[in-house]
Amino acid sequence: EAGVAQSPRYKIIEKRQSVAFWCNPISGHATLYWYQQILGQGPKLLIQFQNNGVVDDSQLPKDRFSAERLKGVDSTLKIQPAKLEDSAVYLCASTNRPGADYGYTFGSGTRLTVV
Amino acid sequence: ILNVEQSPQSLHVQEGDSTNFTCSFPSSNFYALHWYRWETAKSPEALFVMTLNGDEKKKGRISATLNTKEGYSYLYIKGSQPEDSATYLCAPSTYGGSQGNLIFGKGTKLSVKP
Repeated sequence: EAGVAQSPRYKIIEKRQSVAFWCNPISGHATLYWYQQILGQGPKLLIQFQNNGVVDDSQLPKDRFSAERLKGVDSTLKIQPAKLEDSAVYLCASTNRPGADYGYTFGSGTRLTVV
Repeated sequence: ILNVEQSPQSLHVQEGDSTNFTCSFPSSNFYALHWYRWETAKSPEALFVMTLNGDEKKKGRISATLNTKEGYSYLYIKGSQPEDSATYLCAPSTYGGSQGNLIFGKGTKLSVKP
């Protein structure tokens, strides 16, 4: 099966600019996650979708970050305006069995550098 | 919020050496423990998911054990090869809250020299 697709792979922007990342999960996977991995730290959950509904966005900085999954398939994560501390790898993952004894499938991530 | 500790932070071994890493997590409300391998510029790859106390799982030269009562898991690599070089992440999940929300440790970065 095709994996989780993410784009772009790399992005360099100046602070206060806007940026958007795209994720296309594995076909049929109802649950989609966005994680942020800052250098030297473990990935941190930003938002979890179940189909097109938000399950958990408690750690999403809502003053600058937004995410949507309008048709319950692909998803977009946006940052507006970006700060230096947003430099990180943004990972998308999907599963059809959240919380079960089954590993999640991750994309290759988008590496964002804010200068 | 769970506090997940992984040790060591980094490890340098010679090809053929065997090695092991530790993942510690709070044992309360434990549901499952995931291990992932993340090679540079690639996707994190699921290695194991364990749920039961005393679970042992094996995949080739890599194996893992789980102790849910004391809150730790070990990952073992037998006869390390250069292709094993990667960051190994553990992530427990808990009952309650957002089902399936994984809390990742910082990882153990393994470098295997030929």
